Amino acid sequence: QVQLVESGGGVVQPGKSLRLSCVGSGFTFSRYALHWVRQAPGRGPEWVAVISNDDINKYYADSVKGRFTISRDNSRDTLYLQMNSLRPEDTAVYYCARGTGTVFLGNFDDWGQGTLVSVSS
Amino acid sequence: DIQMTQSPSSLSASVGDRVTITCRTSQSISRYLNWYQDKPGKAPKVLISAASTLQSGVPSRFSGGGSGTDFTLTISSLQPEDFATYYCQQSYSIPYTFGQGTRLEIK
Repeated sequence: QVQLVESGGGVVQPGKSLRLSCVGSGFTFSRYALHWVRQAPGRGPEWVAVISNDDINKYYADSVKGRFTISRDNSRDTLYLQMNSLRPEDTAVYYCARGTGTVFLGNFDDWGQGTLVSVSS
Repeated sequence: DIQMTQSPSSLSASVGDRVTITCRTSQSISRYLNWYQDKPGKAPKVLISAASTLQSGVPSRFSGGGSGTDFTLTISSLQPEDFATYYCQQSYSIPYTFGQGTRLEIK
């Protein structure tokens, strides 16, 4: 079955950086677009970024554009999210989610268990 | 960006009740609308995609409808495990956006 396992979360001070990872299994990783979705405490989900299966197309939410970078390594079945210049409002559980064969259909069919990022001084 | 408006924001109901949650979008999205169930400590779970396609393993008491800008999620006979928060989400255009949620509580 499809499995996505995130790691890399933690407590970090404002302005610092963090890199999240997500390892996929149970499906052909290189065929799917992949997303990061976050959920702040007590709030609804918020889409963060998407990357195409071939690593060519990347799109971001305005709230993270210029600070976060999504990438992937299909040889390692791993998705990444490099987060720079972190702000307290970035505090959330970050989920990776499997999409479809294209970045232009925003279905989140399978989710990981999430990793908590807390930005606080 | 496409704005999503769910109603009601919260709902009290009893086991066995039939409930309907609505979702309205700020522009037409055809049938590119998904519904999720969210429980504390768990990742959101997709229930319905493409407005009305029930995901594998989701009980048939859940159903979705609508197209364009107006959509519904109906639970025909509430079960204890259905008490959760429900979100709609448009998959039509980037940035993909969610509704603010409907919290379904036990009466």
